[in-house]
Amino acid sequence: GENVEQHPSTLSVQEGDSAVIKCTYSDSASNYFPWYKQELGKRPQLIIDIRSNVGEKKDQRIAVTLNKTAKHFSLHITETQPEDSAVYFCAASSGQGAQKLVFGQGTRLTINP
Amino acid sequence: NAGVTQTPKFRVLKTGQSMTLLCAQDMNHEYMYWYRQDPGMGLRLIHYSVGEGTTAKGEVPDGYNVSRLKKQNFLLGLESAAPSQTSVYFCASSYGAGGVDQPQHFGDGTRLSIL
Repeated sequence: GENVEQHPSTLSVQEGDSAVIKCTYSDSASNYFPWYKQELGKRPQLIIDIRSNVGEKKDQRIAVTLNKTAKHFSLHITETQPEDSAVYFCAASSGQGAQKLVFGQGTRLTINP
Repeated sequence: NAGVTQTPKFRVLKTGQSMTLLCAQDMNHEYMYWYRQDPGMGLRLIHYSVGEGTTAKGEVPDGYNVSRLKKQNFLLGLESAAPSQTSVYFCASSYGAGGVDQPQHFGDGTRLSIL
Protein backbone atom coordinates (compact mmCIF):
# COMPACT_ATOMS: atom_id res chain seq x y z
CA GLY A 1 0.00 0.00 0.00
CA GLU A 2 0.88 3.67 -0.11
CA ASN A 3 3.42 5.10 2.34
CA VAL A 4 3.98 8.84 2.79
CA GLU A 5 7.04 10.25 4.54
CA GLN A 6 7.12 13.91 5.61
CA HIS A 7 10.11 16.05 6.63
CA PRO A 8 11.01 17.87 8.75
CA SER A 9 8.91 17.03 11.79
CA THR A 10 9.49 20.51 13.22
CA LEU A 11 10.44 23.73 11.46
CA SER A 12 11.13 27.15 12.93
CA VAL A 13 11.55 30.22 10.70
CA GLN A 14 11.72 33.97 11.16
CA GLU A 15 8.68 35.97 10.20
CA GLY A 16 8.96 37.04 6.59
CA ASP A 17 11.21 34.15 5.61
CA SER A 18 10.13 31.16 3.50
CA ALA A 19 9.27 27.68 4.76
CA VAL A 20 9.50 24.43 2.79
CA ILE A 21 8.04 21.07 3.79
CA LYS A 22 8.79 17.95 1.78
CA CYS A 23 6.95 14.66 1.30
CA THR A 24 7.74 11.46 -0.55
CA TYR A 25 5.28 8.74 -1.56
CA SER A 26 5.73 5.13 -2.59
CA ASP A 27 2.79 4.27 -4.87
CA SER A 28 3.38 5.43 -8.45
CA ALA A 29 -0.40 5.19 -9.03
CA SER A 30 -1.07 8.06 -6.60
CA ASN A 31 -2.36 11.09 -8.46
CA TYR A 32 -3.87 13.47 -5.89
CA PHE A 33 -1.81 15.30 -3.27
CA PRO A 34 -3.53 17.63 -0.78
CA TRP A 35 -1.98 19.67 2.00
CA TYR A 36 -3.82 20.32 5.26
CA LYS A 37 -3.19 22.88 7.99
CA GLN A 38 -4.22 22.06 11.54
CA GLU A 39 -4.18 24.58 14.34
CA LEU A 40 -4.06 23.35 17.92
CA GLY A 41 -7.30 21.65 18.88
CA LYS A 42 -8.92 22.35 15.50
CA ARG A 43 -9.91 20.37 12.44
CA PRO A 44 -7.52 19.80 9.52
CA GLN A 45 -8.26 22.35 6.79
CA LEU A 46 -7.30 21.98 3.15
CA ILE A 47 -4.95 24.75 2.06
CA ILE A 48 -3.91 23.57 -1.40
CA ASP A 49 -3.93 20.42 -3.52
CA ILE A 50 -2.34 19.24 -6.73
CA ARG A 51 -3.08 16.51 -9.23
CA SER A 52 -0.52 14.45 -11.07
CA ASN A 53 -1.11 16.16 -14.41
CA VAL A 54 0.25 19.43 -12.98
CA GLY A 55 3.81 20.16 -11.84
CA GLU A 56 3.17 23.28 -9.76
CA LYS A 57 0.24 25.17 -8.28
CA LYS A 58 0.18 28.52 -6.49
CA ASP A 59 -2.33 30.29 -4.28
CA GLN A 60 -1.08 33.65 -3.04
CA ARG A 61 1.78 32.89 -0.59
CA ILE A 62 1.40 29.12 -0.85
CA ALA A 63 2.72 26.87 -3.61
CA VAL A 64 3.02 23.14 -4.10
CA THR A 65 5.40 21.38 -6.50
CA LEU A 66 5.20 17.78 -7.65
CA ASN A 67 7.93 15.58 -9.12
CA LYS A 68 6.25 12.38 -10.31
CA THR A 69 9.49 10.78 -11.44
CA ALA A 70 11.09 11.14 -8.03
CA LYS A 71 7.76 10.63 -6.23
CA HIS A 72 8.02 13.67 -4.04
CA PHE A 73 6.05 16.87 -3.53
CA SER A 74 6.70 19.98 -1.50
CA LEU A 75 4.82 22.83 0.16
CA HIS A 76 6.32 26.31 -0.07
CA ILE A 77 5.13 29.19 2.08
CA THR A 78 6.61 32.61 1.32
CA GLU A 79 6.59 35.77 3.44
CA THR A 80 5.60 33.78 6.49
CA GLN A 81 3.38 35.36 9.14
CA PRO A 82 2.67 34.39 12.77
CA GLU A 83 -0.73 33.00 11.76
CA ASP A 84 1.06 30.43 9.60
CA SER A 85 2.16 28.67 12.79
CA ALA A 86 0.39 25.29 12.82
CA VAL A 87 0.90 21.61 12.01
CA TYR A 88 0.92 20.86 8.29
CA PHE A 89 0.09 17.45 6.82
CA CYS A 90 0.69 16.16 3.33
CA ALA A 91 -1.31 13.27 1.91
CA ALA A 92 -1.51 11.10 -1.19
CA SER A 93 -4.33 9.21 -2.86
CA SER A 94 -4.58 6.93 -5.85
CA GLY A 95 -8.02 8.16 -6.87
CA GLN A 96 -9.22 4.63 -7.60
CA GLY A 97 -12.83 5.42 -6.73
CA ALA A 98 -12.50 5.35 -2.96
CA GLN A 99 -10.32 8.48 -2.54
CA LYS A 100 -8.42 6.94 0.36
CA LEU A 101 -5.88 9.43 1.68
CA VAL A 102 -2.62 8.32 3.29
CA PHE A 103 -1.18 11.11 5.45
CA GLY A 104 2.35 12.05 6.36
CA GLN A 105 3.34 12.36 10.01
CA GLY A 106 3.00 16.14 10.07
CA THR A 107 5.34 19.15 10.39
CA ARG A 108 5.00 21.58 13.27
CA LEU A 109 5.79 25.00 11.81
CA THR A 110 6.62 27.86 14.18
CA ILE A 111 6.98 31.42 12.91
CA ASN A 112 9.14 33.55 15.18
CA PRO A 113 8.29 37.27 15.26
CA ASN B 1 -24.74 25.06 6.06
CA ALA B 2 -22.96 23.39 8.98
CA GLY B 3 -20.62 21.20 6.89
CA VAL B 4 -19.48 18.13 8.84
CA THR B 5 -20.75 17.81 12.41
CA GLN B 6 -19.45 15.29 14.93
CA THR B 7 -21.03 14.28 18.22
CA PRO B 8 -19.99 14.04 20.97
CA LYS B 9 -16.97 16.36 21.17
CA PHE B 10 -15.48 14.65 24.24
CA ARG B 11 -16.05 11.33 25.93
CA VAL B 12 -14.40 9.26 28.62
CA LEU B 13 -15.05 5.52 28.68
CA LYS B 14 -13.98 2.63 30.83
CA THR B 15 -12.29 -0.37 29.26
CA GLY B 16 -14.90 -2.74 27.85
CA GLN B 17 -17.65 -0.17 27.42
CA SER B 18 -19.22 0.48 24.05
CA MET B 19 -20.18 3.68 22.32
CA THR B 20 -21.11 5.19 18.96
CA LEU B 21 -19.69 8.32 17.38
CA LEU B 22 -21.98 10.17 15.01
CA CYS B 23 -20.97 12.10 11.92
CA ALA B 24 -23.46 14.15 9.92
CA GLN B 25 -22.86 16.16 6.75
CA ASP B 26 -25.21 18.51 4.93
CA MET B 27 -23.23 18.90 1.69
CA ASN B 28 -24.84 15.93 -0.09
CA HIS B 29 -21.44 14.22 -0.30
CA GLU B 30 -21.34 10.62 -1.47
CA TYR B 31 -18.14 9.66 0.32
CA MET B 32 -17.53 9.65 4.06
CA TYR B 33 -14.53 8.65 6.16
CA TRP B 34 -13.46 8.02 9.73
CA TYR B 35 -9.86 8.76 10.78
CA ARG B 36 -8.01 8.59 14.05
CA GLN B 37 -5.23 10.97 14.97
CA ASP B 38 -2.53 10.01 17.44
CA PRO B 39 0.47 12.14 18.44
CA GLY B 40 3.27 12.01 15.88
CA MET B 41 1.38 9.68 13.52
CA GLY B 42 -0.78 11.92 11.39
CA LEU B 43 -4.27 10.75 10.48
CA ARG B 44 -5.01 7.11 9.74
CA LEU B 45 -8.09 5.87 7.92
CA ILE B 46 -10.30 3.50 9.96
CA HIS B 47 -13.29 2.87 7.67
CA TYR B 48 -14.92 4.65 4.78
CA SER B 49 -18.10 4.64 2.71
CA VAL B 50 -18.63 5.43 -0.95
CA GLY B 51 -22.40 5.63 -0.66
CA GLU B 52 -25.49 4.91 1.39
CA GLY B 53 -25.53 1.31 2.56
CA THR B 54 -21.86 0.67 1.74
CA THR B 55 -18.81 0.50 4.01
CA ALA B 56 -15.22 -0.65 3.60
CA LYS B 57 -12.11 -1.12 5.74
CA GLY B 58 -9.31 1.39 5.83
CA GLU B 59 -5.81 1.18 7.22
CA VAL B 60 -6.66 0.47 10.91
CA PRO B 61 -10.17 -1.10 11.10
CA ASP B 62 -9.72 -3.58 13.95
CA GLY B 63 -11.93 -2.94 16.98
CA TYR B 64 -14.30 -0.63 15.09
CA ASN B 65 -17.52 -1.04 13.14
CA VAL B 66 -19.37 1.43 10.97
CA SER B 67 -22.76 1.92 9.38
CA ARG B 68 -24.16 4.27 6.73
CA LEU B 69 -27.91 3.82 6.74
CA LYS B 70 -28.53 7.35 5.48
CA LYS B 71 -26.43 9.31 2.99
CA GLN B 72 -25.85 12.16 5.40
CA ASN B 73 -24.81 10.07 8.41
CA PHE B 74 -21.83 7.84 9.12
CA LEU B 75 -21.59 6.09 12.49
CA LEU B 76 -18.44 4.70 14.10
CA GLY B 77 -18.90 2.10 16.82
CA LEU B 78 -16.57 0.73 19.45
CA GLU B 79 -17.98 -2.56 20.72
CA SER B 80 -15.52 -3.09 23.60
CA ALA B 81 -13.31 -0.06 24.16
CA ALA B 82 -9.59 -0.57 24.86
CA PRO B 83 -7.00 1.96 26.12
CA SER B 84 -5.27 1.69 22.72
CA GLN B 85 -8.34 3.36 21.20
CA THR B 86 -7.70 6.58 23.13
CA SER B 87 -7.37 9.09 20.32
CA VAL B 88 -8.94 12.00 18.50
CA TYR B 89 -11.42 10.81 15.89
CA PHE B 90 -12.16 12.86 12.78
CA CYS B 91 -14.92 12.36 10.28
CA ALA B 92 -14.61 13.69 6.74
CA SER B 93 -16.71 13.77 3.59
CA SER B 94 -16.19 14.47 -0.10
CA TYR B 95 -17.94 14.38 -3.44
CA GLY B 96 -17.60 11.18 -5.42
CA ALA B 97 -16.56 12.08 -8.97
CA GLY B 98 -15.99 8.99 -11.06
CA GLY B 99 -12.47 8.17 -9.86
CA VAL B 100 -11.23 11.77 -9.61
CA ASP B 101 -10.28 12.71 -6.05
CA GLN B 102 -12.17 15.60 -4.51
CA PRO B 103 -11.20 17.60 -1.39
CA GLN B 104 -12.17 16.05 1.90
CA HIS B 105 -13.90 18.27 4.46
CA PHE B 106 -13.32 17.46 8.12
CA GLY B 107 -15.43 17.77 11.24
CA ASP B 108 -14.17 19.25 14.51
CA GLY B 109 -13.23 15.88 15.97
CA THR B 110 -14.17 13.76 18.97
CA ARG B 111 -11.62 13.43 21.76
CA LEU B 112 -12.04 9.96 23.25
CA SER B 113 -10.26 8.68 26.36
CA ILE B 114 -10.42 5.05 27.45
CA LEU B 115 -9.48 4.40 31.06
